[in-house]
Amino acid sequence: EAGVTQSPTHLIKTRGQQVTLRCSPISGHTSVYWYQQALGLGLQFLLWYDEGEERNRGNFPPRFSGRQFPNYSSELNVNALELEDSALYLCASSPGSVVTADTQYFGPGTRLTVL
Amino acid sequence: AQSVTQLGSHVSVSEGALVLLRCNYSSSVPPYLFWYVQYPNQGLQLLLKYTTGATLVKGINGFEAEFKKSETSFHLTKPSAHMSDAAEYFCAVNKGGYGNNRLAFGKGNQVVVIP
Repeated sequence: EAGVTQSPTHLIKTRGQQVTLRCSPISGHTSVYWYQQALGLGLQFLLWYDEGEERNRGNFPPRFSGRQFPNYSSELNVNALELEDSALYLCASSPGSVVTADTQYFGPGTRLTVL
Repeated sequence: AQSVTQLGSHVSVSEGALVLLRCNYSSSVPPYLFWYVQYPNQGLQLLLKYTTGATLVKGINGFEAEFKKSETSFHLTKPSAHMSDAAEYFCAVNKGGYGNNRLAFGKGNQVVVIP
């Protein structure tokens, strides 16, 4: 069974640019989560999508946004990049439930560097 | 708000010795608890989880953890460290419940195994 996949593996952008990261969940999973792992800040929850809807959002500015497609894949968009957006962005998926706490399975991440 | 405390960012252990990583959580309701491992330049891999039932949980690679509600702890142990255990370990909490399917992570423990 294929795991969570993310693309691209690495990205280098400059301040002010926009970036789109992509995630494909495990087959059969309907929930997708995004986390940011920045140096010194640890792992922080960004967004949760389930069945195409945004279910929960972490403490991040509105320039962080995303969406989930009918095939349950997801995009994370970051506008007006700042230096502190440099981080590993991890996507996770779970079978999908808005009621119980599913186990989340993580992808390998996208390393974003903002210069 | 739920939070997770992992003491000691770097933990050194001799090969063959006991691995003990401490995790304490604060949560207003009994949480779901997870340990994940991250190898260099990779995503997170689930080691084990506690949801309900037996408080001693066995995971992959010989790791186990015990949920102690009275101590709000979920410490991770392995009787005998192997060189391949060198990695970063994260404890995570999910409060569960409607719309709360998000993980809160501790700062992590970087484990170094000494030959």
